[in-house]
Amino acid sequence: AQRVTQPEKLLSVFKGAPVELKCNYSYSGSPELFWYVQYSRQRLQLLLRHISRESIKGFTADLNKGETSFHLKKPFAQEEDSAMYYCARTGANNLFFGTGTRLTVIP
Amino acid sequence: DSGVTQTPKHLITATGQRVTLRCSPRSGDLSVYWYQQSLDQGLQFLIHYYNGEERAKGNILERFSAQQFPDLHSELNLSSLELGDSALYFCASSVRAENTEAFFGQGTRLTVV
Repeated sequence: AQRVTQPEKLLSVFKGAPVELKCNYSYSGSPELFWYVQYSRQRLQLLLRHISRESIKGFTADLNKGETSFHLKKPFAQEEDSAMYYCARTGANNLFFGTGTRLTVIP
Repeated sequence: DSGVTQTPKHLITATGQRVTLRCSPRSGDLSVYWYQQSLDQGLQFLIHYYNGEERAKGNILERFSAQQFPDLHSELNLSSLELGDSALYFCASSVRAENTEAFFGQGTRLTVV
């Protein structure tokens, strides 16, 4: 079965501290991996895709095929980063989402 | 603005009723996905259509149905509504059926009273 696991439902960090949101995926074929962000129950917005290898709003994510992980990182968290973050993978006519991690940045 | 349009934005209805949610995908996108987001269950995949045909089905109840029309817009029909159906319903679209990112609409907030 194709799965995306985000082990942390809630994550709180202080402003300026590093943040890492974990994502593990089940291995099947060659999926594309994404991170989506949702601010205050608004629409989900694409934050990162693994094939572009870019940094958006200071966030980066490295695909580790050996560990089947795609963790999202930022060296210095900002208050405006507080949001819901979803990891997603493609496969079998679907886009599979993890259960999401709610990040709270404490001022 | 993602280019995906969902109507209505808000809907309040009574238990036992039937509602239709509408989604217009981005211009050129052939795939439409429907998701349900409730407070305690995160983002649940319901169904995926590609160019008018059903491609994948997720945790969609029998009381729910969907279709994609020739102009590629999609409708999600929810019937015999229950209190537990109250949620945010998102539509997303993408160009292809597989291995591609999806763009989300703003969602329809359904409240069943």
